[in-house]
Amino acid sequence: DTGVSQNPRHKITKRGQNVTFRCDPISEHNRLYWYRQTLGQGPEFLTYFQNEAQLEKSRLLSDRFSAERPKGSFSTLEIQRTEQGDSAMYLCASSLAGTGGVGYTFGSGTRLTVV
Amino acid sequence: EDQVTQSPEALRLQEGESSSLNCSYTVSGLRGLFWYRQDPGKGPEFLFTLYSAGEEKEKERLKATLTKKESFLHITAPKPEDSATYLCAVQAGSARQLTFGSGTQLTVLP
Repeated sequence: DTGVSQNPRHKITKRGQNVTFRCDPISEHNRLYWYRQTLGQGPEFLTYFQNEAQLEKSRLLSDRFSAERPKGSFSTLEIQRTEQGDSAMYLCASSLAGTGGVGYTFGSGTRLTVV
Repeated sequence: EDQVTQSPEALRLQEGESSSLNCSYTVSGLRGLFWYRQDPGKGPEFLFTLYSAGEEKEKERLKATLTKKESFLHITAPKPEDSATYLCAVQAGSARQLTFGSGTQLTVLP
């Protein structure tokens, strides 16, 4: 297990289309997070899972966004009816409960461009 | 609402020229302050966690310190490979998520 894996690395889509991103966390990590990062800004929290339960969602996560983590393993983030403002880097991170001091491990992200 | 402000936005140093990056924060009940390094096109890479005022942590040419209102990342005798964006983040109260600052883009010239 070499880290957090995100696919695809890049996605270009037309406005109004739906897109789905996948995140495979470090296998023993039970917490999984989604963040969004725009150019020149720090990551912004979107949502968080512990095992398969989605425990928290940011107000940034509009009803066009949905995230799942079936069976507490990989996670998907879907954006419906994409808008140009959705263009950003979508970052996934994972951690093990009780080890917060070592910080999250982030993936390399999926860069979304909406044209 | 938790707030994190980093300064400067960008910093250019000559190789060997030491400097410090600043992270000011306003949170209710700090649980941890985190420093990350981010290279272009990659996700943030964890560097340090600080928990209480007066705490210091070191790793190679980097040293992070924490007061009740701010944190500093000191870079001693930097090398070009230290060029990256350095992000500061806080975790507060019962929250599991991090609140990040906008980062400082560091360029070290040979």
